[in-house]
Formats: sequence, structure tokens, C-alpha cells
Amino acid sequence: DAMVIQNPRYQVTQFGKPVTLSCSQTLNHNVMYWYQQKSSQAPKLLFHYYDKDFNNEADTPDNFQSRRPNTSFCFLDIRSPGLGDAAMYLCATSRGGTYNEQFFGPGTRLTVL
Amino acid sequence: GQQVMQIPQYQHVQEGEDFTTYCNSSTTLSNIQWYKQRPGGHPVFLIQLVKSGEVKKQKRLTFQFGEAKKNSSLHITATQTTDVGTYFCAGRTGNQFYFGTGTSLTVIP
Repeated sequence: DAMVIQNPRYQVTQFGKPVTLSCSQTLNHNVMYWYQQKSSQAPKLLFHYYDKDFNNEADTPDNFQSRRPNTSFCFLDIRSPGLGDAAMYLCATSRGGTYNEQFFGPGTRLTVL
Repeated sequence: GQQVMQIPQYQHVQEGEDFTTYCNSSTTLSNIQWYKQRPGGHPVFLIQLVKSGEVKKQKRLTFQFGEAKKNSSLHITATQTTDVGTYFCAGRTGNQFYFGTGTSLTVIP
């Protein structure tokens, strides 16, 4: 089945230790998104790729970076995680224009010790 | 700044009762989408509305987009326990996309 896959599902890191979260998709969608969702809050868009074009939200901290080496894969790099970065990180994809119907992966829950 | 607010934040209903969540934006939206997120799950797309005043139905769910394209509603008729979850509206304004604050629905059997 076509899907959005996120690895790992749970990630524990130490304060200040870089961490990378992965997302892959078999839907062949051209747009990929990264969201941060904290407990009982709405998903907050961090950035998205339209094909190879990177689009950063204005209020996304510099601590968060992303890479998209090909259509199928997208990575979220957190350079120096702080305690406030503990959250669920959701990857999503859409086809065609930006912000069309989005298909979400199961998420990676990040814990920062 | 741009805000997309939803009311109520929480709603408890008896199974069989109706439920409505309202979504309000401070600016005009190009479109409105609705997502459902089950406890412990990820958001799942339900529908997209684009036209002013548009109404769409999916079985027991009715979605409306306001005439001014600043508000929307989701109405569920005769709730079932499978309707439990958080319902988010989400909309595009210019080049930005925002999720609403969400309404958490609990259905009491």
C-alpha cells in the first residue's frame, strides 16, 4: 500500500545532541511537509519542500533544518535539541500544488533528556 | 498574526447526540480543510472546501464554508463511539497554511 513512513517512531536524545528524523513516501507526491505537534496542540508547520524548492516558515527556529535528497525521502535535522523541542514530529505529503490534501505519516515522538 | 480558532475546545456528548465544531479565521482563507486525529494517531484528511458558501456532506458529517471564507463548521449527526478524536480545520491564506486549535470530541456510550 502506498504510504508515508517515519522512522524511528520513538527517538530519545540528549539536550544539545543533534538528531535526525526520517520520512519516506511511496505515494510519489511532489510536496513534503514537516510539522511539530506538542501535546494537546495543533500541528505547527515547520517547513515544506515543493519538489526541490525549500520553503521555511517565518517562525521556524534556525535549530531546525531539512534535507530532501530525492522525491521519496525527507529528513528533519535538529542541530541542538532543547527541552522545548520534545514533541511529535509529523511528516506529510501532498500532490500537485502546495497545501492540497495532505497525507500524514504516523509521526516520530522525540524525547529530550 | 494569523490565527485559526476553533470552538469548543472540548465537547462531551452522549452517543446519538449531534456535535458541531466551529472554525474561525482572522483573515480570508483560500480553502478550508478538515482533518480528524484519533487519540495517539495522526491527522487524517476528511474534506476540502474551496467556494464561498460551499456545503459538502459525507454520510453523517456536514461541512460548511462561510460566505466570507473566514469561517467553517463541521456537524456530525447522531454521533457514534467511532467519532471520538480531535477535529482540526486547516486553511491557506496567501502562502501560509495554518491548523486550527482543534476540538476534542468524546462520545459517551
